[in-house]
Amino acid sequence: AAGVIQSPRHLIKEKRETATLKCYPIPRHDTVYWYQQGPGQDPQFLISFYEKMQSDKGSIPDRFSAQQFSDYHSELNMSSLELGDSALYFCASSRQQEMETQYFGPGTRLLVL
Amino acid sequence: KNEVEQSPQNLTAQEGEFITINCSYSVGISALHWLQQHPGGGIVSLFMLSSGKKKHGRLIATINIQEKHSSLHITASHPRDSAVYICAVRQGAQKLVFGQGTRLTINP
Repeated sequence: AAGVIQSPRHLIKEKRETATLKCYPIPRHDTVYWYQQGPGQDPQFLISFYEKMQSDKGSIPDRFSAQQFSDYHSELNMSSLELGDSALYFCASSRQQEMETQYFGPGTRLLVL
Repeated sequence: KNEVEQSPQNLTAQEGEFITINCSYSVGISALHWLQQHPGGGIVSLFMLSSGKKKHGRLIATINIQEKHSSLHITASHPRDSAVYICAVRQGAQKLVFGQGTRLTINP
């Protein structure tokens, strides 16, 4: 069965650079969630989208923005990167109306030097 | 105090032992998830519960809504079960709030 796809899987950036992370949900899933997991920490919710509209917002810095496109894939844009942004970024998808479980992608490991 | 508390934080056991990981939460939830995270970082959803009990292979998850408590049990544990097990609660239809995880190590 198709799973959630994230790209890239690994990314190395320098401070003050920008990064774009991509998430491709499971087919027919209409909701995408982004989570950030710092080293040794619990995953923290950043933002979610349902039918291309932002549906909930968590602890996402103002330097970050995200959107969901017409094909339901989502991109997380991160600007003015800081060392503290180094983390594992997970995307998850679900089908909202059926209140299904969230399926997680493999994550993008971002390292900011 | 975290909204989701897990215990124990670390657990080491011998192969074959029966394992129990507990999760307590303090908020209203629509569902509770048990997740498994391996050293490489990938997260796998094991169970989603809103009531009662679910079983999948050697894994059993229970939830008591009145007591706001859930348990994950592993029978006949195996070294390949070594991972971090995370309890996460869903509030409404949206985001998950994660517990701090339980690091399980099963020794041969």
